[in-house]
Amino acid sequence: SYELTQPLSVSVAPGQTARITCGGNDLGSKNVHWYQQKPGQAPVLVIYKDSKRPSGIPERFSGSNSGNTATLTISSAQAGDEAAYFCQVWDVTTAVFGGGTKLTVL
Amino acid sequence: QITLKESGPTLVKPTQTLTLTCTFSGFSLSASGVSVGWIRQSPGKSLEWLALVYWSDDKRYSPSLESRLTITKDISKNEVVLMMTNMDPVDTGTYYCAHRSPETAGAMDYWGQGALVTVSS
Repeated sequence: SYELTQPLSVSVAPGQTARITCGGNDLGSKNVHWYQQKPGQAPVLVIYKDSKRPSGIPERFSGSNSGNTATLTISSAQAGDEAAYFCQVWDVTTAVFGGGTKLTVL
Repeated sequence: QITLKESGPTLVKPTQTLTLTCTFSGFSLSASGVSVGWIRQSPGKSLEWLALVYWSDDKRYSPSLESRLTITKDISKNEVVLMMTNMDPVDTGTYYCAHRSPETAGAMDYWGQGALVTVSS
């Protein structure tokens, strides 16, 4: 079965740029989606199809995908960006999620 | 706007069958390309996809749980129902339903608030 690998945690200083990676075999050939989940809340889609932002998501959120790694980039990180972030792909007809990365803004 | 809401029991006993209902508004599950899925999350853990039903009534299941899952839709009621048999304490967690549209290349763009299910005798 297909697997996605994320770092358990990433830390960033306020105002700096955070990068969260997602690794998978030939990931660049798939559409990668990213979700933000704050404690006690449902996930929210922040990036779809590698780099597209849904309406209402700040331009500070961007994404890229090439080779075996996709990256979610959050520029000018804010305290409100503290959350868990999950990458997701469809492996044929099965949805696969990464293990999640806890972003700390300190 | 699109909204989804999960409902069902908060407590089930081991070996029982769990039935969860996702009631949605703001879209039609008979529209081409639209689907609704179920995803769960054990406490402190990652997201786990369970099942998906398409507008065409085609269905897909997680390979590891397929034998225990049934997903159905009722267009007239704007509902999607998930049944999971033989519940076990490891199935404790929050169960979400989510909307998936072709416009977002298969991303789940709207989620319900989640339903917490505890499996205990």
